[in-house]
Amino acid sequence: QQQVKQSPQSLIVQKGGISIINCAYENTAFDYFPWYQQFPGKGPALLIAIRPDVSEKKEGRFTISFNKSAKQFSLHIMDSQPGDSATYFCAARESGAGSYQLTFGKGTKLSVIP
Amino acid sequence: DTGVSQDPRHKITKRGQNVTFRCDPISEHNRLYWYRQTLGQGPEFLTYFQNEAQLEKSRLLSDRFSAERPKGSFSTLEIQRTEQGDSAMYLCASRGADTQYFGPGTRLTVL
Repeated sequence: QQQVKQSPQSLIVQKGGISIINCAYENTAFDYFPWYQQFPGKGPALLIAIRPDVSEKKEGRFTISFNKSAKQFSLHIMDSQPGDSATYFCAARESGAGSYQLTFGKGTKLSVIP
Repeated sequence: DTGVSQDPRHKITKRGQNVTFRCDPISEHNRLYWYRQTLGQGPEFLTYFQNEAQLEKSRLLSDRFSAERPKGSFSTLEIQRTEQGDSAMYLCASRGADTQYFGPGTRLTVL
C-alpha cells in the first residue's frame, strides 16, 4: 500500500518555466511534509518542508502549496533552470511517539531544457 | 565536511556473500536511520536508532539484515547471505531536530 502518491513520474520543462509536482497522502496522522532533491549518485537533500497549519511556504524559487482537506500538497519551481534537473521526492512523517521515519513518494524526474 | 558519510560508496559482491556498510552521522545527532532505495523508487525505511538503542525495524528488514550502533556514534548495516534482490542503494540519515540529513549512500550490486 503506497501511502504517498506522487505525480508525474517524469517532467520536462523549458528553462524559465514553472515545474509542478503533486503528491497525495491518506494517513491523516502525517504532520510534516518535506521535499527532497536528489542528483544521480548522491543522497537526497532537503529542499523545503511544510506543516499542515499553513497552506503555503515559499523559499526562493521553491514553493509548497498544501491542501489539508484534500490531503494533497505540491511543489512549484519557478523560473526553472537546467541546474534544477534532478529527481524530486515528496515525503511525509507522523510525529509524536515513534521513529519519525519518512514515507517517500516514488519520485519525479525533472529535466529542464535550455 | 561535517555531513553524513557512508563507506563504501559502491560494493559489488557475489550472491551468498556477507557485506557490511558503515555510516558516520553528523556528530551532534543522536538519531540515525537506514533506508533502502531501489531504482525508480523513493527511499524505504529500514531501521532507526536513538543513541545506541535500535528502537524500530521495518518488515523489510529480514533476518539476514542486522544493524548496530555501538556507543551511539557510527552505525553498521550487515547483510548476510546476499541475494540478487538485495541490490539497491542503502542510505543512512541522521536527525537533530526536524530535518533528516542523508549521506551519499552505498550502492550494492549482488551478482
